[in-house]
Amino acid sequence: DTAVSQTPKYLVTQMGNDKSIKCEQNLGHDTMYWYKQDSKKFLKIMFSYNNKELIINETVPNRFSPKSPDKAHLNLHINSLELGDSAVYFCASSQRGRGFSGANVLTFGAGSRLTVL
Amino acid sequence: AQSVAQPEDQVNVAEGNPLTVKCTYSVSGNPYLFWYVQYPNRGLQFLLKYITGDNLVKGSYGFEAEFNKSQTSFHLKKPSALVSDSALYFCAVRDRTYSSASKIIFGSGTRLSIRP
Repeated sequence: DTAVSQTPKYLVTQMGNDKSIKCEQNLGHDTMYWYKQDSKKFLKIMFSYNNKELIINETVPNRFSPKSPDKAHLNLHINSLELGDSAVYFCASSQRGRGFSGANVLTFGAGSRLTVL
Repeated sequence: AQSVAQPEDQVNVAEGNPLTVKCTYSVSGNPYLFWYVQYPNRGLQFLLKYITGDNLVKGSYGFEAEFNKSQTSFHLKKPSALVSDSALYFCAVRDRTYSSASKIIFGSGTRLSIRP
C-alpha cells in the first residue's frame, strides 16, 4: 500500500479554472503538509495541518485553500489558476512529538504536476 | 530565521570515487538536520538525520553525513559512488523549538551525476 498518495498525478488546465489535489496517508501520522516545487526544483512549504488544525500558513495567495477533513487527508483547492501556479505539488506527512522525537521525518507523496495553459 | 544553503547546483563524480555534497545552515540553537533524495518523477525520500550525539551519521544506501557545529555544516558523503546514486539531493534543517509552527526548511537541492 502506498504510504502517501496524491491524486491526480498530472493536471493540465486553463488559466482561470479551479482545481483540487487530494492527498491521503495511511501511516497514522498526525501532521500533513503541502509543498510546492518550482521549475528550478526549489521546494517551499505552503501549509501544514496537525490533527486537522492549520499550524503553518506561509505567504500563499488566498486562491490556495487547504482542507483537512480528518488527520489522514489534506486536500488543496486552487481558485482562478494562473500561469505561475504551474509546479509540482507534494503532499507529505509526519508524526510530531516533543524532544528528540521532534526530529520528525517527512514521508512524501509522488507529487502532482500542475500545468496551467 | 532558519535557512539552509547548498552552494553547488551540480556535482559530477566518476563511479567508484568518493562523493561529497555540501550543506551549510543557519538556525538559532542546535538544529535537527536532514538529507533527502529525489529520483526523477518521484517524491523526496529520507536518507539520514542528525539529532544529537555522534557527529557522523550513517544513513541509507551507504551514505553518511558529518555534523560540524563550528562550521555550521552537514555535508553528505559516500566513500564509493554508484551510477544509481545519480539524483537530486536536498539538505533540510529544523529548529528545536516546541512550537507547532516550527517547520523543516529545505535547501535548493544539488544534482548529483555519477558517470560510469
